[in-house]
Amino acid sequence: EIVLTQSPGTLSLSPGERATLSCRASQSVTSNYLAWYQQKPGQAPRLLIYDASSRATGIPDRFSGSGSGTDFTLTISRLEPEDFAVYYCQQYGSFLFTFGPGTKVGIK
Amino acid sequence: EVLLVESGGDLVQPGGSLRLSCAASGFIFGHYDMSWVRQAPGKGLEWVSGICSSGCSPLYADSVKGRFTISRDNSKNTLYLQMNSLRGDDTAVYFCAKHKDPLRYNAGADHWGQGTLVTVSS
Repeated sequence: EIVLTQSPGTLSLSPGERATLSCRASQSVTSNYLAWYQQKPGQAPRLLIYDASSRATGIPDRFSGSGSGTDFTLTISRLEPEDFAVYYCQQYGSFLFTFGPGTKVGIK
Repeated sequence: EVLLVESGGDLVQPGGSLRLSCAASGFIFGHYDMSWVRQAPGKGLEWVSGICSSGCSPLYADSVKGRFTISRDNSKNTLYLQMNSLRGDDTAVYFCAKHKDPLRYNAGADHWGQGTLVTVSS
């Protein structure tokens, strides 16, 4: 099983600031099959990024994904009020998918 | 519009069984692989099980293997999760999720249901 570690656990930022979230895998993720999701309280997750760097339909271009192998990054270039949420990475390169523990982006 | 609606969540005693359903609409259900993902209260997401578009190759997280069974009925556009030998740590909201690309198992999940709550307690 591929274990994903996300850092930091919590990020406190102000609107307009840049957010950089990290996801590290215990072994290389096949074909960089890694996704990022946003989840707000009481809601289902929303797909932001798939295949490490492709934006999902309708996702603003302030969200970008990068990385390969075992190290991946989600960047939010300028935080909007609606971006304060929990973000999860997920690998789907192996047959058994796994999620990271999440990073909470909170208002400073 | 893609819509996924889970049902079947309930309060059940330890050792009991429950079957969850996920009714799909707005897309050709039989063309897409599907997964179940759960979230314990106040915790993160945990992938539970996945199944290919035709019902082949079901896969399970180690935490549920041997106790849970995923299946689908493409004629009814419905995904199922049969849960047996339930334990307290199975308490969670269970989401069904559609894989993003047709006939591709290894894909992110681009649509999710609202979830159904399963509580395992005596």
